Amino acid sequence: ILNVEQSPQSLHVQEGDSTNFTCSFPSSNFYALHWYRWETAKSPEALFVMTLNGDEKKKGRISATLNTKEGYSYLYIKGSQPEDSATYLCASDNYGQNFVFGPGTRLSVLP
Amino acid sequence: DSGVTQTPKHLITATGQRVTLRCSPRSGDLSVYWYQQSLDQGLQFLIQYYNGEERAKGNILERFSAQQFPDLHSELNLSSLELGDSALYFCASSPSTSYEQYFGPGTRLTVT
Repeated sequence: ILNVEQSPQSLHVQEGDSTNFTCSFPSSNFYALHWYRWETAKSPEALFVMTLNGDEKKKGRISATLNTKEGYSYLYIKGSQPEDSATYLCASDNYGQNFVFGPGTRLSVLP
Repeated sequence: DSGVTQTPKHLITATGQRVTLRCSPRSGDLSVYWYQQSLDQGLQFLIQYYNGEERAKGNILERFSAQQFPDLHSELNLSSLELGDSALYFCASSPSTSYEQYFGPGTRLTVT
């Protein structure tokens, strides 16, 4: 089974700080990389789907980059707010091994 | 509200029984995905259907099966239930594979 890793496991930042996390995924047979935001007691919410090497996507204060050759993606949050507190999951979709999720990065933004 | 509905919200049943979980995708979405989240485990992909056909399979047990009907709703059937099948089962939908997936609220299954 292919491994998807995320770091750090958890992160505490102050309101207004910018932060970033990493998702490492298998680069072989790569098809797409998904990022999700998952608040406690809710369902995962899609942030981005990225397919091309060098892809950069942005949604408000959140952005993501993708490097398919080396198998990593970064998620950035600019000016973190308490409502950004959630677990951020990535999932790698590879041919033959679909939708393998990482363990998530749990972000707490302190007011 | 993602537009994806799942029923029932909660289900409590005994070992050895069979249950059916139901998912209605967002209007216009052809792809349906099923996921399992057990205690102490992350999200596990089970199976994907696209326009009625099975598209991809993940860690789905042989005791589990799914189908997608002509109206695009999907059902996940879990049989010979074991205690370890207790989990939150999510359904998600998307227009196609490389699009964002929209998750339903989940069905919490408890096997006693």
